[in-house]
Amino acid sequence: DGGITQSPKYLFRKEGQNVTLSCEQNLNHDAMYWYRQDPGQGLRLIYYSQIVNDFQKGDIAEGYSVSREKKESFPLTVTSAQKNPTAFYLCASSMVANQPQHFGDGTRLSIL
Amino acid sequence: QKEVEQNSGPLSVPEGAIASLNCTYSDRVSQSFFWYRQYSGKSPELIMSIYSNGDKEDGRFTAQLNKASQYVSLLIRDSQPSDSATYLCAVSNYGGATNKLIFGTGTLLAVQP
Repeated sequence: DGGITQSPKYLFRKEGQNVTLSCEQNLNHDAMYWYRQDPGQGLRLIYYSQIVNDFQKGDIAEGYSVSREKKESFPLTVTSAQKNPTAFYLCASSMVANQPQHFGDGTRLSIL
Repeated sequence: QKEVEQNSGPLSVPEGAIASLNCTYSDRVSQSFFWYRQYSGKSPELIMSIYSNGDKEDGRFTAQLNKASQYVSLLIRDSQPSDSATYLCAVSNYGGATNKLIFGTGTLLAVQP
C-alpha cells in the first residue's frame, strides 16, 4: 500500500524541549513538504525538499529544522526556539515539485 | 491582496442541490490548480486537478478554470451530507513569483439533510 506515514499522531512538548516529527513515504516521490495548520487557517509552508540532500525554507521556517538524507524520509524538528508550536503538522509529497501534493494523516503537537 | 482567495463560508446547501465553490488567484503565470477536501480534524485529500481553461468533470465533481479572469471553481452536483467539509483551493506558482503551491484558507461547505 503506497502512501505517506506520519508519526506520532499526537505529541506533547515540554518547555525548552526539541521534538521530531516523522514523515515517511513509499510513493517514490522526489519532493516532500512540511506544512503547519492552525485552527481556522490555511496551510503555511515550513520547509520543502525537491531532492535528497537538499531543502529550502518556506514561509515560516524559524524555529524548525529538517533533513533529507533519504528519498523516503523527511523528518521535521520543532526546536525550543519555536515559541508557539501548538498546531496540526502536515507532511506532503509529490512526484516532482509542480505536481499534485498528497498528504499524510498529520501530527497534532501541543505544549505541556 | 491574498495570493489565493476563497470565501470562508459556511456555504449551506440542501441535500441534492449543486454546491458552487469559488477561488481567485493573483499571479497570472499560475499553471496548475487543485481542489482538496478536508474533513474536520483530518488531512487534506486531493479531489480534482485542472490545468487548462474550461471544465473538467469527475463523477459528481466539475472543476472550471478561467485563466483570463483568474478564477477556478468547483461544482458538486447532487450534494450529500458526506460532502460537508472544508474545500481548499491550491494554485501552483512554479516558475512564477513564489515558485510553490499556494493554498487558500478554504470554504466550509455544509450540506443540510
